[in-house]
Formats: sequence, C-alpha cells, structure tokens
Amino acid sequence: DSGVTQTPKHLITATGQRVTLRCSPRSGDLSVYWYQQSLDQGLQFLIQYYNGEERAKGNILERFSAQQFPDLHSELNLSSLELGDSALYFCASSAQSSNSPLHFGNGTRLTVT
Amino acid sequence: DQQVKQNSPSLSVQEGRISILNCDYTNSMFDYFLWYKKYPAEGPTFLISISSIKDKNEDGRFTVFLNKSAKHLSLHIVPSQPGDSAVYFCAASEGNFNKFYFGSGTKLNVKP
Repeated sequence: DSGVTQTPKHLITATGQRVTLRCSPRSGDLSVYWYQQSLDQGLQFLIQYYNGEERAKGNILERFSAQQFPDLHSELNLSSLELGDSALYFCASSAQSSNSPLHFGNGTRLTVT
Repeated sequence: DQQVKQNSPSLSVQEGRISILNCDYTNSMFDYFLWYKKYPAEGPTFLISISSIKDKNEDGRFTVFLNKSAKHLSLHIVPSQPGDSAVYFCAASEGNFNKFYFGSGTKLNVKP
C-alpha cells in the first residue's frame, strides 16, 4: 500500500460531461502529481502541485484543470469529455519537490461513452 | 516526442536467471532516474532510483546501471522470480523539478 488514495476507482460517463477525480497524498508528502495512461501507452505527465501551488505543467488539455487544497488533497477536473479521454488517471505524491521518488495511487479508470 | 524509450515491449526469462530491462533517453539534462513495477489493476510501485552522479545502485536483487554517455540505463533482476512478472517502467527527470518522463513499459514474464 503506497499510502496514496484515489477515488473513485471507476467512473463511467457520457461525452460532454464533467467529472472530478480525487487524490489524498501520503501523510507528510507536499507534492502531488497527476498522470494519464491511455490504452497500452506510457504514463503522460499532466500537472504537479507543491504545497498548494502549481509547480510544473505537462500535456494537460485546457478542458482539464486541477488544484491542491490546504489539507494537501488534490482534485483533477475533466470537462467537455470526449471518447479519447477514456484512460487510467493516476495520482502520485512525493516528500520533496525534486529528486524524490513518486508514490502512486491505484488510479481512477475513466470510461467515456 | 518521446524522451524516454523502452524498446522491448516484452521479455521472457526462466526463474532463477537474470532479467535485464533496458531504457534509453534523449535529454542529456536528465539527472535522476527511477524504475517502477506495475501489476494489473494497481498503481506503479517504486523499485529503485539512481542519480546521475552514480553509475550503479543496488538494492537486494535489483541493480540499476546508468551509462550517461550512451544515455542508457538498465535494470538487472537476479535471480528472477515468478512474482517479478509485471510491467516495468523507467522514468527520468531533470533539475529541480520532479517532472518525470516515463517509458512505455516492458512486460516481464518469469517462467517457473
């Protein structure tokens, strides 16, 4: 058990809808990351937060947004969903903001129909 | 543009033998590297790391080698066990950010 909790585990929704994915980092970790894994693909970095502030951005679509709250949990909001957004979304956390291994949750599987 | 590549989608090894998983990268500024193991329906699990000031790091049955001039790293598992059967990802980051680029993974099958 990595200590990173993601909810929900599965989400099925229709095109055009909006969903929110939730992540609680390991106790004491200040950094939270979001990654997307599409079918048979590697993990694509979306965004990183450190102690509530956005620290780095990757290939995150404008339809997607995230935030980290004062209690350090994070939410990833996906809107105007398209079929191609169907993927596994992983949250990870780390103790520091650099040169520190990421610890992943078990992911949220999003299916857009 | 994929900055971290794992060119072997799969690898099959007999139990007790050595497994060697390979990873290449293109960005010479990468200075911190990780290996992860992933079972189905679970998130990736951190295995071992190496920074660019070293060329080898060992943790039990797992050893990671870094060849900076070739921009290549490898993970050796000795001896391989059936429980090691999983998908292995390498990842790399640069500088003061923990923005990791991941390879596409290699599926290891260790046969009893």
